[in-house]
Amino acid sequence: NAGVTQTPKFQVLKTGQSMTLQCAQDMNHEYMSWYRQDPGMGLRLIHYSVGAGITDQGEVPNGYNVSRSTTEDFPLRLLSAAPSQTSVYFCASSYSIIEGRNEQFFGPGTRLTVL
Amino acid sequence: AQTVTQSQPEMSVQEAETVTLSCTYDTSESDYYLFWYKQPPSRQMILVIRQEAYKQQNATENRFSVNFQKAAKSFSLKISDSQLGDAAMYFCALSDMRFGAGTRLTVKP
Repeated sequence: NAGVTQTPKFQVLKTGQSMTLQCAQDMNHEYMSWYRQDPGMGLRLIHYSVGAGITDQGEVPNGYNVSRSTTEDFPLRLLSAAPSQTSVYFCASSYSIIEGRNEQFFGPGTRLTVL
Repeated sequence: AQTVTQSQPEMSVQEAETVTLSCTYDTSESDYYLFWYKQPPSRQMILVIRQEAYKQQNATENRFSVNFQKAAKSFSLKISDSQLGDAAMYFCALSDMRFGAGTRLTVKP
């Protein structure tokens, strides 16, 4: 199993550009999420999905869009990149969040710089 | 408002010694889980240990153990016999997907 994969690993954008961060998992997990990691702030939840066709906002959703057309894939779209979106982005998946006991499995992260 | 607080941005420990990382949290749930994740320099996050709130016994995984104080909403991680490979960022997390700001642990040889 590849686990959770993310592409690209690094990306530089100019202000106003759009792009999609890809995330895929091969563990048949229901739950997937996107976090951003900034120094001194830990991981903050952007969007999450509890199954194909179902998405919801997290703590910091503005400027980001997601969709979940399949169980495996959960792309994150930056609509119009801003310097404040410079961060490291992590995708994670979990078997389920209903019981709360399940750990999240994380991808390797994408370091995004917006100039 | 942040509901998971790690008050130690950085900690340092001598190899083979013991170190404790602190975490406090706030939740209105009666049953929940708490987690410690490790993020080494490679950035790959991995689970270290988990604790269910209504189990009174503290969780243990080899050299890693927790001190869970439900009434005080405290969940500290103790690393015994520290090794160079323990050097990493450590994040405390709640089962509602909230994470603390992290503690960077340095291990001195």
